[in-house]
Amino acid sequence: GAGVSQTPSNKVTEKGKYVELRCDPISGHTALYWYRQSLGQGPEFLIYFQGTGAADDSGLPNDRFFAVRPEGSVSTLKIQRTERGDSAVYLCASTLTSGGTDTQYFGPGTRLTVL
Amino acid sequence: DQQVKQNSPSLSVQEGRISILNCDYTNSMFDYFLWYKKYPAEGPTFLISISSIKDKNEDGRFTVFLNKSAKHLSLHIVPSQPGDSAVYFCAAISTGGGNKLTFGTGTQLKVEL
Repeated sequence: GAGVSQTPSNKVTEKGKYVELRCDPISGHTALYWYRQSLGQGPEFLIYFQGTGAADDSGLPNDRFFAVRPEGSVSTLKIQRTERGDSAVYLCASTLTSGGTDTQYFGPGTRLTVL
Repeated sequence: DQQVKQNSPSLSVQEGRISILNCDYTNSMFDYFLWYKKYPAEGPTFLISISSIKDKNEDGRFTVFLNKSAKHLSLHIVPSQPGDSAVYFCAAISTGGGNKLTFGTGTQLKVEL
């Protein structure tokens, strides 16, 4: 079956602009995660959804970052007033259930470049 | 503070030999550990995992060892194949503290012919 998909694959924007990154999880997966991977680092947790609600948003760096999952499937990560330091690969993952040891399946990521 | 550390940024081994990738952690609340493999322009792919109640888990050519007292785990790949060349990330979860993965910085493995 289809895996996790993310669009766009690449996004170039200017400092101060607003961007939206989309994640389509594996069909039927109830939990969805966002991570950010900066150059030379491992992925860092941003936010986790169980169904439509954010169960843990402790990784969001500041209030410029916001994510939604209105129907419990597709999620959108929104970044306002982008800064050069936001440049990274944004990864999305999903799991079948909300069990802590469920395998997280990752999408290919969106590479965000802020000029 | 880096709670999961992979101190070797790169490793090169010959085809057919054993690859050993190491990982250390500092948070004693971590109780489930995973290895992910990542090719360029792709997302990380789950490889193998181990619960803190075990000290070894094996899946084909891949074996993960956990030493809780030393807060150390390792991934053994034997025999290594050219297709194993990728970045390997160690990750950990505290299952009582939510489902977020904490990753190390990765080790680039190159398997040479």
